[in-house]
Amino acid sequence: AQRVTQPEKLLSVFKGAPVELKCNYSYSGSPELFWYVQYSRQRLQLLLRHISRESIKGFTADLNKGETSFHLKKPFAQEEDSAMYYCALSGDGTSYGKLTFGQGTILTVHP
Amino acid sequence: NAGVMQNPRHLVRRRGQEARLRCSPMKGHSHVYWYRQLPEEGLKFMVYLQKENIIDESGMPKERFSAEFPKEGPSILRIQQVVRGDSAAYFCASSRRSQTWRNEKLFFGSGTQLSVL
Repeated sequence: AQRVTQPEKLLSVFKGAPVELKCNYSYSGSPELFWYVQYSRQRLQLLLRHISRESIKGFTADLNKGETSFHLKKPFAQEEDSAMYYCALSGDGTSYGKLTFGQGTILTVHP
Repeated sequence: NAGVMQNPRHLVRRRGQEARLRCSPMKGHSHVYWYRQLPEEGLKFMVYLQKENIIDESGMPKERFSAEFPKEGPSILRIQQVVRGDSAAYFCASSRRSQTWRNEKLFFGSGTQLSVL
């Protein structure tokens, strides 16, 4: 069975401070990992995926297979980063949109 | 492109009634996924449909729940004889799936909040 754990339900930081949202997963094969974000009154949208190795809005995430983690990081948080963040896993290379989501972390960036 | 459209946004039903949730995928998308989010939990996969076909319903409860995606019209998630435990946010997502999975992207709707009294 596959599982995604986001240990922090709430995370608060001040503007300009570094931020790290934790995500750990459990899966026996080769996972594909994603971060989704939901801003206030907006739809859930893809932030980044590990295979792209991209940086979106200053966020990066590295897949650490040894620690089974995919933590989301940003060196200098901005107020507009305040949102709900979900880590998600696709455990099967052919399983299209069948994702396993974590419970989410609400990030609040204070001025 | 208006994106993935779900309606209604809010649906209130009494126990024992039927709930019908609709999802219109993005233009050009023929793959639809339904997710359910119970209070204080993450989204959980329910079912994956292509036009006129159910591809994967491994996340659907065995009873009372059904889904369809007809050749014409929106995808429908139907819950018969609703119970209080069905109260949740139901999200629909669509994809084009014209490429390999690694290039695919899911687009989510705004969700339907079902409340069972």
